[in-house]
Amino acid sequence: GAVVSQHPSWVICKSGTSVKIECRSLDFQATTMFWYRQFPKQSLMLMATSNEGSKATYEQGVEKDKFLINHASLTLSTLTVTSAHPEDSSFYICSARDTSGYTYNEQFFGPGTRLTVL
Amino acid sequence: GQSLEQPSEVTAVEGAIVQINCTYQTSGFYGLSWYQQHDGGAPTFLSYNALDGLEETGRFSSFLSRSDSYGYLLLQELQMKDSASYFCAVPSGQAGTALIFGKGTTLSVSS
Repeated sequence: GAVVSQHPSWVICKSGTSVKIECRSLDFQATTMFWYRQFPKQSLMLMATSNEGSKATYEQGVEKDKFLINHASLTLSTLTVTSAHPEDSSFYICSARDTSGYTYNEQFFGPGTRLTVL
Repeated sequence: GQSLEQPSEVTAVEGAIVQINCTYQTSGFYGLSWYQQHDGGAPTFLSYNALDGLEETGRFSSFLSRSDSYGYLLLQELQMKDSASYFCAVPSGQAGTALIFGKGTTLSVSS
């Protein structure tokens, strides 16, 4: 199946700093990628939809100025957590669909990035 | 909006059969998916149902009844490695859009 990678896999930062997380589709092009956040023992919550070449669409309650999303190419989307605070500590996961094959209804998830803000 | 309900926990022993139910409320229906997630890992796709009936993939099967807004995931011949969280999910909008996940069911398989 299609492969989605994320970098870094984990990051620890100080409160007030910014952290950038990369999401790449390795063997397919993704015009749309999705960013989710997952707190411990909870479900995945959609944060935003990242569209190549245009602005991201954020879910209600997600601060677009805090969570900056850039989708500059068909294989790369980045999420920057600006001025991170301890409450931003979470597991951030991206996903994408490969619309070129037979897995249209399947979303491929990256391995996730565990962010810890001290 | 979309909402999904599933049990929070299920326990079973190796070799047993387990059914994880999911009821949903959606504005428009574009299919029900199931994902597995091990601790600390990414969700992996298990199955997708757009039409009523049973879809079988090896030890796992998934069922959908659109009239009842209900589906289930059936896991047979349980193995220890099946211990994980299982999520049902529906598209947030049209098919192919982002997924809205249920709260997840933690399955614990013991020997």
